[in-house]
Amino acid sequence: KNEVEQSPQNLTAQEGEFITINCSYSVGISALHWLQQHPGGGIVSLFMLSSGKKKHGRLIATINIQEKHSSLHITASHPRDSAVYICAVRSRSNTGNQFYFGTGTSLTVIP
Amino acid sequence: DTEVTQTPKHLVMGMTNKKSLKCEQHMGHRAMYWYKQKAKKPPELMFVYSYEKLSINESVPSRFSPECPNSSLLNLHLHALQPEDSALYLCASSQVFRKGGTEAFFGQGTRLTVV
Repeated sequence: KNEVEQSPQNLTAQEGEFITINCSYSVGISALHWLQQHPGGGIVSLFMLSSGKKKHGRLIATINIQEKHSSLHITASHPRDSAVYICAVRSRSNTGNQFYFGTGTSLTVIP
Repeated sequence: DTEVTQTPKHLVMGMTNKKSLKCEQHMGHRAMYWYKQKAKKPPELMFVYSYEKLSINESVPSRFSPECPNSSLLNLHLHALQPEDSALYLCASSQVFRKGGTEAFFGQGTRLTVV
């Protein structure tokens, strides 16, 4: 079993739709990251959360530490949002330097 | 400067070649990471350096040899690779562990093809 589970694996939406991607994890964490990866590889960090909720533009991320669950929401989706979204958690291990990655959600937004 | 710079962007090498991947950051981060990512899969951790010392080695074959010559640079030396080692190699950096977590920054990756 993966330490981090994401759903859905693939998502197709019409431009303008509200999108939710979910992430559940099973390890103790110090922080959870939402990452965006475009074709070509580079990964961009969207959010780092240890509690509550954060908002950047049309993106909103929430985390429930007790339920070990996080969601990434995209409002008014746009074709340029098409990418793979990855949930990653930073473990609360002795070294504290281990990330566990979800399998990613491939989002396609159709004009 | 919040960039992690990886060079080269693309690399094609033969199985008998020796090459190196380079990663650089100037954010003062003392934790640096190498990840390997195959197509349509999440990144897999290979190595972690903390304060320029190797702290995690995820059972990576010895044909991959990491090096952290100083706090800004991370290298991955490659020798006698196999075609199945073809992948995207990602470098990341962050502050070393602290309560509440720290931001991780990723490079654009080096797309490696072994022929």
